[in-house]
Amino acid sequence: AQTVTQSQPEMSVQEAETVTLSCTYDTSESDYYLFWYKQPPSRQMILVIRQEAYKQQNATENRFSVNFQKAAKSFSLKISDSQLGDAAMYFCAYQTGANNLFFGTGTRLTVIP
Amino acid sequence: DTGVSQNPRHKITKRGQNVTFRCDPISEHNRLYWYRQTLGQGPEFLTYFQNEAQLEKSRLLSDRFSAERPKGSFSTLEIQRTEQGDSAMYLCASSPRVAGLETQYFGPGTRLLVL
Repeated sequence: AQTVTQSQPEMSVQEAETVTLSCTYDTSESDYYLFWYKQPPSRQMILVIRQEAYKQQNATENRFSVNFQKAAKSFSLKISDSQLGDAAMYFCAYQTGANNLFFGTGTRLTVIP
Repeated sequence: DTGVSQNPRHKITKRGQNVTFRCDPISEHNRLYWYRQTLGQGPEFLTYFQNEAQLEKSRLLSDRFSAERPKGSFSTLEIQRTEQGDSAMYLCASSPRVAGLETQYFGPGTRLLVL
């Protein structure tokens, strides 16, 4: 069974600083996809960044980047130059060819002005 | 706005009543997903459609739950004889059918409270 674990229920970061959110997953599949989604309070879930497992290069989207360690089944999210608008719940998610997403329990990120 | 829309946004009902939610996916997205999210948890998969065909159902989808997607456009999720444990946020997502990686785009959700 696929499982996604986010071991940090809450994190905080000073505005303009860098923070890393952790995610580990368990799977027997060799081909899959990994995502980080952001869910602001009372707002809808939006995609932050995605990674194909077959790609060795870590994905980057502006201030967001991932550290994908396939052998360790680790997929952490780094947010650089944190902004107040980054405050949200962050969910790590896993997807196989079956296409439904498996989510972790989330990490609540607080940005301190 | 051409994103995924869901109606109603909030629903309060009494235990035992039936409720129906609607999801309108992004135009031309032929895959549509339903998830349930309880407080403090990540979303859990319920079911998904490819066009009008319901291809997969989670064990979470008890026989009180039914989903349809007539004509492969909008979808409805009905819960019959609601129970307090059904209180949750119900999320809809859609994705285009392309080879390889498919990104799911989420709607704002319908928050259900069963009294």
